[in-house]
Amino acid sequence: ETGVTQTPRHLVMGMTNKKSLKCEQHLGHNAMYWYKQSAKKPLELMFVYSLEERVENNSVPSRFSPECPNSSHLFLHLHTLQPEDSALYLCASSQGGVGGAFFGQGTRLTVV
Amino acid sequence: RKEVEQDPGPFNVPEGATVAFNCTYSNSASQSFFWYRQDCRKEPKLLMSVYSSGNEDGRFTAQLNRASQYISLLIRDSKLSDSATYLCVVNMKAGSYQKVTFGTGTKLQVIP
Repeated sequence: ETGVTQTPRHLVMGMTNKKSLKCEQHLGHNAMYWYKQSAKKPLELMFVYSLEERVENNSVPSRFSPECPNSSHLFLHLHTLQPEDSALYLCASSQGGVGGAFFGQGTRLTVV
Repeated sequence: RKEVEQDPGPFNVPEGATVAFNCTYSNSASQSFFWYRQDCRKEPKLLMSVYSSGNEDGRFTAQLNRASQYISLLIRDSKLSDSATYLCVVNMKAGSYQKVTFGTGTKLQVIP
């Protein structure tokens, strides 16, 4: 309905696991974003891709690895995460310099 | 100074009241402005764009003052369903994408 879909909606993983979050946008936008939102904290921008190139990387630990194979898909690969990485991970997309950004419903990640 | 500043609240108001939120931004080169609404444990959703000429949508009115770098949101006749966190968002065009900066949000609780 929002045009941006994220899977899975919920994920529980151990600290030694490897998993990936997926985001797909159906809006024809050319920029995609990953945000992290921890409990009772504001949104933190993690990565920005524009025209499939990473244009922002906000000091995110290397255990988070983004991938943008095309303008409609964005992945966040996770490995050896820490319990403090438990949060809501939100994907968003926007079109160039116009309009607002539209969000997916997020993946609620718990690291045990 | 934070790029986008909001009073975190919470604002506790009775049903039917009028409530106003304010937001200031530091970068005078910012180009577009929005209010988002975020319900507990959900993704942010675009509420409305903000223009210097003002923007009204039903009970909601948003206003931009570029000279003062100030954005406001007015909610008239508050409903219980208006309870949420309201995020001020400031965008700046950066090449082919938008640099999207979120405020920390203002929490509104409408009380019966």
